[in-house]
Amino acid sequence: KNEVEQSPQNLTAQEGEFITINCSYSVGISALHWLQQHPGGGIVSLFMLSSGKKKHGRLIATINIQEKHSSLHITASHPRDSAVYICAVIGGQGGSEKLVFGKGTKLTVNP
Amino acid sequence: DAGVIQSPRHEVTEMGQEVTLRCKPISGHNSLFWYRQTMMRGLELLIYFNNNVPIDDSGMPEDRFSAKMPNASFSTLKIQPSEPRDSAVYFCASSLVLTGGPKSNQPQHFGDGTRLSIL
Repeated sequence: KNEVEQSPQNLTAQEGEFITINCSYSVGISALHWLQQHPGGGIVSLFMLSSGKKKHGRLIATINIQEKHSSLHITASHPRDSAVYICAVIGGQGGSEKLVFGKGTKLTVNP
Repeated sequence: DAGVIQSPRHEVTEMGQEVTLRCKPISGHNSLFWYRQTMMRGLELLIYFNNNVPIDDSGMPEDRFSAKMPNASFSTLKIQPSEPRDSAVYFCASSLVLTGGPKSNQPQHFGDGTRLSIL
């Protein structure tokens, strides 16, 4: 079983819809990252959080440490949001500081 | 400000050849990370350095892989000899880590990656 599970694997939405991507992890962590990878391949770090909620523009990330779950929300989605969104946790089995990644969620927003 | 700079952007070489990937982190960052991305396994951390010292290399697949960071502004990832299964996109990232390890309040900045194809 992967330490980090994302859902859904693929997501298609219409422009303007509210998007939610989920990430569950099975190990104790010190922090969680949300990354965005565009079709061209570049990777951008969107958020790093260890508790509560963070907001940047139309993006909101939340984390519930007790439930070992995080969500990434996109409000008023736009075709330019089309990308792969990757969840990564810091602090896996054995107390390692290694980053462990989910498989990613491919989001397509149609105009 | 220049971001993380990786070279080459693309590399195609024959099996058995030595491959060297290069990374220049963002000035002032004290941690550097090498990642590999494949369709089958997704993104994986290979090794990371803090203040030029390798902290965790448990992700390095085998002895054919080696990484060095001779100074704060340069790192290399070498594969010798290369094999077709090493074909992947290799990313370098850097960040300012306030304590040892990737536990950080600062985001990681990624380079554009090196797309490596071993024939």
